[in-house]
Amino acid sequence: DGGITQSPKYLFRKEGQNVTLSCEQNLNHDAMYWYRQDPGQGLRLIYYSQIVNDFQKGDIAEGYSVSREKKESFPLTVTSAQKNPTAFYLCASRTAGGTNEQFFGPGTRLTVL
Amino acid sequence: AQSVAQPEDQVNVAEGNPLTVKCTYSVSGNPYLFWYVQYPNRGLQFLLKYITGDNLVKGSYGFEAEFNKSQTSFHLKKPSALVSDSALYFCAVRDTGGGNKLTFGTGTQLKVEL
Repeated sequence: DGGITQSPKYLFRKEGQNVTLSCEQNLNHDAMYWYRQDPGQGLRLIYYSQIVNDFQKGDIAEGYSVSREKKESFPLTVTSAQKNPTAFYLCASRTAGGTNEQFFGPGTRLTVL
Repeated sequence: AQSVAQPEDQVNVAEGNPLTVKCTYSVSGNPYLFWYVQYPNRGLQFLLKYITGDNLVKGSYGFEAEFNKSQTSFHLKKPSALVSDSALYFCAVRDTGGGNKLTFGTGTQLKVEL
């Protein structure tokens, strides 16, 4: 998990509220990713960004938004439009180069009450 | 579109015995394959990758993986399992589209018992 921090570790939200998950990396990586993990479903890509001020939707972007104003930071906002937001959220980053692996943060567990 | 299958939800093995966690893939072109491990309530840790070259790839913590192109498989192996190897293991393949995205399998829970 070194080099990528996610906060908070646990997050509770009431229905109808937006919430923002933090992801910061000090690895000087160009690309950053957000995944959602649900039991038995593996990881699914929400959004990704290859450079500052640019990002693309992943497979399950509906109800989520992101920004990439700094290279080090890629916050994810879970909006009230997300129908089933309770999940474990993982941020990852990767340096430039097509064969390089992604490095993951420790994750944030979001629970909607 | 690419895909990864991990046919076993759980694998049980006795400590000291060899272990295998299975993975098959489907992708057009040359595959870039990865294995990750996840301990409870933690992020994923990179174990190893296959890009090209030798079909037997060695990685962290004594793990290795065998790439088999004809069987489109990339099974994870370890000669002698440890109780501390008990965790959730994910196989992934790099997407053929842009962004160097990964498609993950659903994961295999490895349980190593004394």
